[in-house]
Amino acid sequence: AQSVAQPEDQVNVAEGNPLTVKCTYSVSGNPYLFWYVQYPNRGLQFLLKYITGDNLVKGSYGFEAEFNKSQTSFHLKKPSALVSDSALYFCAVRDGAGTYKYIFGTGTRLKVLA
Amino acid sequence: DTEVTQTPKHLVMGMTNKKSLKCEQHMGHRAMYWYKQKAKKPPELMFVYSYEKLSINESVPSRFSPECPNSSLLNLHLHALQPEDSALYLCASSQDTSGGTTGELFFGEGSRLTVL
Repeated sequence: AQSVAQPEDQVNVAEGNPLTVKCTYSVSGNPYLFWYVQYPNRGLQFLLKYITGDNLVKGSYGFEAEFNKSQTSFHLKKPSALVSDSALYFCAVRDGAGTYKYIFGTGTRLKVLA
Repeated sequence: DTEVTQTPKHLVMGMTNKKSLKCEQHMGHRAMYWYKQKAKKPPELMFVYSYEKLSINESVPSRFSPECPNSSLLNLHLHALQPEDSALYLCASSQDTSGGTTGELFFGEGSRLTVL
């Protein structure tokens, strides 16, 4: 069965410092991995995805993610955090081939301190 | 146009009311979704429509009734809801590729439902 884990409920980082939000996955077959961000009382916004190709994926708002097949990880990163990056982040994986289902992680709250 | 539009943004209803949530997208996506999200939790899939046909029903109670009138519109009809149904209801769409999807989900801003 496919699964995705976000081991940290909350991550605190100082503004200007690099940030990492962790995600690990377990899939059979090729992984289709996604990161979404949710601001309070808003819908989820797509940040980036890995389907195939380069292990370093660049996305919106300066975010990037590194796909690591041996460690089955897809950590979200940003070189310099902004206070406005404070939000809830979800990692997701497609639940197998030929499906409309995505499995979402439990979410990580990122708090960037000024 | 890369937006998914949901109305209303907020809805308060009694347990005997009948109301509807509406969703519209003009990205040409043929897969449309309803998700339910409780506070600080991941979204939970409720229904998926593919080419205007119901493809997935995640054992949702019949007091929730989805409808897809055309390729751009998705409705969720609500009747006799319970207070525990209070949540943020999110509509999403994606490209449809041969009975599944490989692309990202485009979410609307959600409809915040409160059942009294």
